[in-house]
Amino acid sequence: SAVISQKPSRDICQRGTSLTIQCQVDSQVTMMFWYRQQPGQSLTLIATANQGSEATYESGFVIDKFPISRPNLTFSTLTVSNMSPEDSSIYLCSVESLRTPKGNEQFFGPGTRLTVL
Amino acid sequence: QQQVKQSPQSLIVQKGGISIINCAYENTAFDYFPWYQQFPGKGPALLIAIRPDVSEKKEGRFTISFNKSAKQFSLHIMDSQPGDSATYFCAARKGSARQLTFGSGTQLTVLP
Repeated sequence: SAVISQKPSRDICQRGTSLTIQCQVDSQVTMMFWYRQQPGQSLTLIATANQGSEATYESGFVIDKFPISRPNLTFSTLTVSNMSPEDSSIYLCSVESLRTPKGNEQFFGPGTRLTVL
Repeated sequence: QQQVKQSPQSLIVQKGGISIINCAYENTAFDYFPWYQQFPGKGPALLIAIRPDVSEKKEGRFTISFNKSAKQFSLHIMDSQPGDSATYFCAARKGSARQLTFGSGTQLTVLP
């Protein structure tokens, strides 16, 4: 499976500031996704990070609030902008790898736990 | 619209028992159904997955049963162990869409 790392692993931020989360994969992958997991809840897809083009956002998520970059096939960033306490969540990077024997499996990074005061 | 419904929300099982978690879906375009296991402070880890052309898939102590006509699938954990205590999520994906739709999760506790 693909090995995914995220930075930072956790952070505590002040209201109104922004935080950029990095996702690094150890191999080239076709698809990269960003999910949000609020405390004790399920995972909700924020957007699909497209290499070389603008991300595709799900309903309820907008680029101004969650700008995403994907400059190459192994790296992506998610920025949480103008944060409020409601943004306190775990943010997870996910990739789809074609290198596994079963093909097209999706793997998750360890997550970034964000607390907004 | 909750496209994947998961139950129960929590489950307590004795060591050695069978844990059963159920999911139901609405969209018949879904064609891939994985289960993820998540420990506290960790990202979800892919456990086992099934496609609708088979009714059952087994990997070690973990089995997925799939009922296409009923639009339901379930995870069975045989000989449950305390180390299996985690949150389990079912998910579904449709064709070219690639992104996963998750169930609400089941917190499993296996008592020693």
